[in-house]
Amino acid sequence: NAGVMQNPRHLVRRRGQEARLRCSPVKGHSHVYWYRQLPEEGLKFMVYLQKENIIDESGMPKERFSAEFPKEGPSILRIQQVVRGDSAAYFCASSLTFPSGTATYEQYFGPGTRLTVT
Amino acid sequence: ILNVEQSPQSLHVQEGDSTNFTCSFPSSNFYALHWYRWETAKSPEALFVMTLNGDEKKKGRISATLNTKEGYSYLYIKGSQPEDSATYLCAFLTTGGTSYGKLTFGQGTILTVHP
Repeated sequence: NAGVMQNPRHLVRRRGQEARLRCSPVKGHSHVYWYRQLPEEGLKFMVYLQKENIIDESGMPKERFSAEFPKEGPSILRIQQVVRGDSAAYFCASSLTFPSGTATYEQYFGPGTRLTVT
Repeated sequence: ILNVEQSPQSLHVQEGDSTNFTCSFPSSNFYALHWYRWETAKSPEALFVMTLNGDEKKKGRISATLNTKEGYSYLYIKGSQPEDSATYLCAFLTTGGTSYGKLTFGQGTILTVHP
C-alpha cells in the first residue's frame, strides 16, 4: 500500500544551486498539492496541480519556483538559485479527485523533503 | 486572505486527562473542514473530514464537532495517552473565489501528554 512518496528526504544545497524535489502521489490520485513549512511556521499552500495542468499556483513565489506534474512520472517542485530563506520542509499531498459533491477529497501527505541551503 | 486560527497553541496534559482544542474558520463559502494529526518526523495524517453543520465524528478516543454557521470546530481527546502527543492541525476548504480547492491550514495545537 504505497502512500505518497517524496525524495530526497533531505537535500542540502549551496546558495545559487538548483533544488529538485520529487513527489509520487498515491496510485490513482491525479491531484497533487505542494506545501511549505518554514521554521517556526505552519503549513502554507504553494501550488495545486492536476496531471499536466497547474490549477492554482497562488501560494508559490513568482520567481525561481516552478512546479510540474507530467502525464508520466512524479510531480517536480523546482527551486532555482536557492537562497537561505528557501530552507524549509516541503510537503507534497495527493487526493483522489477535485473537491466536488460527496467525493473523497482528504489529502494524503508524503514524508516531506527537508531542504537546507548553506 | 483566509484566516484559520487554532487555540491553544500548545497544551500539556497528564495521562488520563481529557482535553479539547478549537479551530476557527470563516463561516462563508464553507466546503469542508479537515483535521490532521502530525507526529514529529512523520507526515500529517487525516483524522476527520467534516462537511455538514452539526456533524460529529469519532475515531476511538478522538472526536470532533462542527459548527459552520459560527465558524468553529472542536477536537476532543478522551483519556489522553502519551502516544496522542502530536500537533493537531485543522484545515479549511472553501468554495469561494481564488481559494477554491485548496486547504488553508491553522498553525496547529501542539499536544504533549505526560505519563
